[in-house]
Amino acid sequence: GESVGLHLPTLSVQEGDNSIINCAYSNSASDYFIWYKQESGKGPQFIIDIRSNMDKRQGQRVTVLLNKTVKHLSLQIAATQPGDSAVYFCAGAGSARQLTFGSGTQLTVLP
Amino acid sequence: EAGVAQSPRYKIIEKRQSVAFWCNPISGHATLYWYQQILGQGPKLLIQFQNNGVVDDSQLPKDRFSAERLKGVDSTLKIQPAKLEDSAVYLCASAVAFYNEQFFGPGTRLTVL
Repeated sequence: GESVGLHLPTLSVQEGDNSIINCAYSNSASDYFIWYKQESGKGPQFIIDIRSNMDKRQGQRVTVLLNKTVKHLSLQIAATQPGDSAVYFCAGAGSARQLTFGSGTQLTVLP
Repeated sequence: EAGVAQSPRYKIIEKRQSVAFWCNPISGHATLYWYQQILGQGPKLLIQFQNNGVVDDSQLPKDRFSAERLKGVDSTLKIQPAKLEDSAVYLCASAVAFYNEQFFGPGTRLTVL
């Protein structure tokens, strides 16, 4: 089955700096990955996704990088803002699109 | 567009009691999911519905958990009897179809004493 994990449980960055959150996965059959943001007391919120036929995808202030060789993906947040403080999860899925979530990274933005 | 609604938001029960959670997905979403999120962990899929049929319940502890989506819209998740390790946030998510983006509700936080 799929195993998805995150490298660091917590990450603190200064406001305005860039943030990089990392994630590793084990199942080579996973062909779809999503990053979610979860604020306290709320459900996960979709940030950005990427399919395995891509190695990079950009959104508004966010970029996801996928390295299939080492089964690693990362989420980069540009010019981190206080509103970015949350827990970030990566999730992987195969053809059935059932998501396996990692354990999450708590991002804290310092003033 | 209204999001996924869940109730209650919080529930405290004693072990061996029963509890039920309710989910109203986004209108028109055929696929509905229930997840369990233990504190400090990512959500874990319990069951997936397509309309009123079960697609996958392989991770649902069927000796105590049950779920239904009788009319293919609202869904209920029940635990009977509850154990201490069932303390978690129970999240409901819905999608237009299984290959579309999942939208999550705010969850129900269950505490079993």
